[in-house]
Amino acid sequence: AQKVTQAQTEISVVEKEDVTLDCVYETRDTTYYLFWYKQPPSGELVFLIRRNSFDEQNEISGRYSWNFQKSTSSFNFTITASQVVDSAVYFCALSEVSNDYKLSFGAGTTVTVRA
Amino acid sequence: DAGITQSPRHKVTETGTPVTLRCHQTENHRYMYWYRQDPGHGLRLIHYSYGVKDTDKGEVSDGYSVSRSKTEDFLLTLESATSSQTSVYFCAISENQGGRAGELFFGEGSRLTVL
Repeated sequence: AQKVTQAQTEISVVEKEDVTLDCVYETRDTTYYLFWYKQPPSGELVFLIRRNSFDEQNEISGRYSWNFQKSTSSFNFTITASQVVDSAVYFCALSEVSNDYKLSFGAGTTVTVRA
Repeated sequence: DAGITQSPRHKVTETGTPVTLRCHQTENHRYMYWYRQDPGHGLRLIHYSYGVKDTDKGEVSDGYSVSRSKTEDFLLTLESATSSQTSVYFCAISENQGGRAGELFFGEGSRLTVL
């Protein structure tokens, strides 16, 4: 069973629009970690954020923000005022104690920002 | 940037031939992972290693074997390549167990095409 669901396969926006990427996870563990990675067209995987299950505070880093809600098992990612350089595939991932902390990735969401 | 080198970066081979991908790290990290990336599936774990000569299977290990004789090298072998193994392969490392440690550092990927 898929542990991380990224229901949006592709999102296309015009520059300066905000875009929100959804991530829904499934776990029975009380201790777990959630991640977001970015994969630009060049192909490398870039770490964006890690959040543990005991910290539900939202986080903001520049134009990026993350909304963690345990009640809905979601860890959504918002890019504010998108730019062409934000065009990439974004992956959400889950790391569980019961899985020896190995990362399980969602299928990814491709974001295209048009000038 | 984490010192991770994958080789070869690109390879085209024929069905039934053996293939070995190499991951070399200069970070002296204990944990090493091999993932494959396919459209619609995100990244899926093939095998991982938690020390020299200590390896274990991931979720898509059939048809693959691994070896780790030195801390810095983690080899992924396809004994008899099949077209279903056409994919982009990523190596990753972490100092401690995956998600608990923090981020995984990824290599640049190896694109394998099996004809």
